[in-house]
Amino acid sequence: AQKVTQAQTEISVVEKEDVTLDCVYETRDTTYYLFWYKQPPSGELVFLIRRNSFDEQNEISGRYSWNFQKSTSSFNFTITASQVVDSAVYFCALSEAQNNDMRFGAGTRLTVKP
Amino acid sequence: GAVVSQHPSRVICKSGTSVKIECRSLDFQATTMFWYRQFPKQSLMLMATSNEGSKATYEQGVEKDKFLINHASLTLSTLTVTSAHPEDSSFYICSARKGLVLNEQFFGPGTRLTVL
Repeated sequence: AQKVTQAQTEISVVEKEDVTLDCVYETRDTTYYLFWYKQPPSGELVFLIRRNSFDEQNEISGRYSWNFQKSTSSFNFTITASQVVDSAVYFCALSEAQNNDMRFGAGTRLTVKP
Repeated sequence: GAVVSQHPSRVICKSGTSVKIECRSLDFQATTMFWYRQFPKQSLMLMATSNEGSKATYEQGVEKDKFLINHASLTLSTLTVTSAHPEDSSFYICSARKGLVLNEQFFGPGTRLTVL
C-alpha cells in the first residue's frame, strides 16, 4: 500500500523567507501521481499541483516550485519569498494508478509571521 | 470546470440522531466519489469509496452500518452518520473523480459535524 510521509509537523518562518516542505513517499506501483494541496483555516482543500511518475521535470509556478526526485522518492515543495497568506496546512498526497484512492501525508502546518 | 459541492457546510446535532451529508459534482459526472474524515489537526483519512449504482467500499476500521453511503446518481453521493455520538464530530470531506486518467479528484468544501 502506498504511504506518504511529511516529517515536518510545523514550520514557522518570517515573511520573505524561503521555505521547503518535505514529502517522501512509498509505493510499489510504477505508475502513480503525486499531489500537493493547501488547506487554509476555512478547511477547503486548494489544489496546487499534480505530477505523474513519468514526469520528473521540476515545476515552477510563481513563488511555488516543486522538486520531484524518484531516486529518493521525494516530492518537495518550496515557497519563495513567503507571505503571510501562505500560512496554512499543506498536504502531500499519492494516488496509485491501480486503485482510485488517494493517501495523504500528515500535513505540515506553515506559519508565516509578518 | 470541475466543481464539487457539499451540503450542509456545518451541522450541529444531538447525540443519537442521524445526519445526512450530500456531495454533488456540479458540472461533471462522477462514477466514483470518495469520503474522507479529518479530525482536528490531523490528516485526511479515507473512509470509503463510492461507485455509482453499487455498494461502497469501506476502509478497514470504518463501520459501514454507522456510515451509510449512497451513490444513487452520477452527480450525487450521500453520507449518513447514523446514531451520531460526540466522537463522530469531525470534518467530513468528499471528492469526486473526473475521468480515468491522471487519477484526478476534485474536493468538496467539507462539512463540519458537531455532535453534542
